[in-house]
Amino acid sequence: RKEVEQDPGPFNVPEGATVAFNCTYSNSASQSFFWYRQDCRKEPKLLMSVYSSGNEDGRFTAQLNRASQYISLLIRDSKLSDSATYLCVVNIKGSSASKIIFGSGTRLSIRP
Amino acid sequence: GAVVSQHPSRVICKSGTSVKIECRSLDFQATTMFWYRQFPKKSLMLMATSNEGSKATYEQGVEKDKFLINHASLTLSTLTVTSAHPEDSSFYICSARDPSGRGSTDTQYFGPGTRLTVL
Repeated sequence: RKEVEQDPGPFNVPEGATVAFNCTYSNSASQSFFWYRQDCRKEPKLLMSVYSSGNEDGRFTAQLNRASQYISLLIRDSKLSDSATYLCVVNIKGSSASKIIFGSGTRLSIRP
Repeated sequence: GAVVSQHPSRVICKSGTSVKIECRSLDFQATTMFWYRQFPKKSLMLMATSNEGSKATYEQGVEKDKFLINHASLTLSTLTVTSAHPEDSSFYICSARDPSGRGSTDTQYFGPGTRLTVL
């Protein structure tokens, strides 16, 4: 089983739609969680951190469920510029060092 | 956010040559940097963790003699792909954590990546 699993996508939705991505992680030692966005042939860029209490940044809402080891990202009123690959990222803290694990990404395409 | 640069952004080389990629943290000091490789339509795969002043830690399956990492200062890590072959063609990305406390201390800032093509 992969350490971080995401919806495979691709998601193709009309502009203005609401879309949700899911991500599950297998290591209960996971300490911190993030959503990154990656545009084609570019580096990943931090979209938002994910907190247990849930957090919102404009049209984006992230949720974390530690009991179910599940993370979600909700995008409301989607824009054409939201088209990208969304990466679920988990930071696992070991006894001596931490390790970042990336999900395989979910591709989102917003159509006019 | 913190800024990480990479150089070169793109390189094309002949099989058998060595290629050096630089990763710099521009406005913070990074004791740890990370090197990733990404094949088309695939996720980032961590290759190694670069530690300032000590040896890099390589992930399983990554040849340390092929991918030489040097982290000689708090703002610079280099990855050298030695005797490159066509199968080494990939997108190489570095990242660094900013320990100064901006955002989460676990937040990684990525360089813009280096696209390597080996002919």
